Amino acid sequence: GNSVTQMEGPVTLSEEAFLTINCTYTATGYPSLFWYVQYPGEGLQLLLKATKADDKGSNKGFEATYRKETTSFHLEKGSVQVSDSAVYFCALSELTGGGNKLTFGTGTQLKVEL
Amino acid sequence: EPEVTQTPSHQVTQMGQEVILRCVPISNHLYFYWYRQILGQKVEFLVSFYNNEISEKSEIFDDQFSVERPDGSNFTLKIRSTKLEDSAMYFCASSARQPANEKLFFGSGTQLSVL
Repeated sequence: GNSVTQMEGPVTLSEEAFLTINCTYTATGYPSLFWYVQYPGEGLQLLLKATKADDKGSNKGFEATYRKETTSFHLEKGSVQVSDSAVYFCALSELTGGGNKLTFGTGTQLKVEL
Repeated sequence: EPEVTQTPSHQVTQMGQEVILRCVPISNHLYFYWYRQILGQKVEFLVSFYNNEISEKSEIFDDQFSVERPDGSNFTLKIRSTKLEDSAMYFCASSARQPANEKLFFGSGTQLSVL
């Protein structure tokens, strides 16, 4: 079956540091790939997505490129801020008979300090 | 941006009791979902619901679980007889359309603790 593996946290960085959170996946077919973010006390929010190989998703300075050859979708940001502190979830989707089923990784907690 | 609302935010119950977790999806959405996350583990798919019926369910979603959309606005998850291992954060989600690249909107979750 489908699965997503992402690096364990917590990841602690200083403000303005470079961020990489690794994500690899196993899937049959050609899934869409997502990064969701959960800020404290809130629900999961879509951060970015990519729907086919070599697509790059980007939002709020975050980027991730759909790499089919390495089955990866690593999240990067050039300069993190304290406000980026959250839990980041990598996910893939497969279409089902009546909806869109997401398979998630375990989540990576990011802490950004001044 | 529109929101999915979940109540309560925390629920404590005794083993063997029934619980109902409530969700109000975004009003024009057609597809509804429940996911859960046991502490330290992955967010897991439980069930998807469309056109007033379950469209897919996971192995976790056994006979103890049921979902309902009783009045056109609420979407509920019932656990008939809770077990200790049901303790988790339960997330409701909804989406407007079906495609695999469609964005899901999630609620902030209900933390269920079974004692």
